[in-house]
Amino acid sequence: DAKTTQPNSMESNEEEPVHLPCNHSTISGTDYIHWYRQLPSQGPEYVIHGLTSNVNNRMASLAIAEDRKSSTLILHRATLRDAAVYYCILRDINNYGQNFVFGPGTRLSVLP
Amino acid sequence: EAGVVQSPRYKIIEKKQPVAFWCNPISGHNTLYWYRQNLGQGPELLIRYENEEAVDDSQLPKDRFSAERLKGVDSTLKIQPAELGDSAVYLCASSLDRWSSGRDLTSYEQYFGPGTRLTVT
Repeated sequence: DAKTTQPNSMESNEEEPVHLPCNHSTISGTDYIHWYRQLPSQGPEYVIHGLTSNVNNRMASLAIAEDRKSSTLILHRATLRDAAVYYCILRDINNYGQNFVFGPGTRLSVLP
Repeated sequence: EAGVVQSPRYKIIEKKQPVAFWCNPISGHNTLYWYRQNLGQGPELLIRYENEEAVDDSQLPKDRFSAERLKGVDSTLKIQPAELGDSAVYLCASSLDRWSSGRDLTSYEQYFGPGTRLTVT
């Protein structure tokens, strides 16, 4: 399974942008890059995904390096509600279907 | 639309006792996942179902864990007997997977339930 590397924790001030990095140097050409986040006492929730091009949605933006060996999740204006663990995952397909392997993620703290 | 429903939310049992968790996925979702999440770690896949078929149970400790998804809708995960190391949060997730030509799977989101926190004493 392809692996990702993320910082254990990050801090941000409220209403400032946050850039959450992820390294995935062993990514293959068919792996999609997914981001999920987990708020306290909840299950993970989908944030965004991409393959090669940068992506934007209402929650965040995903910037993917040209060689695809790294990516960055961008929260444009952090709020207190964005304090969570953020998981960067490579979605591949094995014989059983799509496969997600979660690492420990980055714990984001947002300071008021 | 209701999300993924899990029950119970919390369970405390003594070691060697049996325990069962129930999951009702989002209506119409064909794929169902059970994950285990230890404290400070990301979720780890235990078993994945496509409809009623368990297509990936390679990570399920089969000596004590069992699961079923009758009629391809809701699912039950059982542990018998429970051990101290089974204390964790058990998460259920579902997705609507659509295979297009070749091996391209056009499904991008897993929807997770709130989980069941199991404490084995």
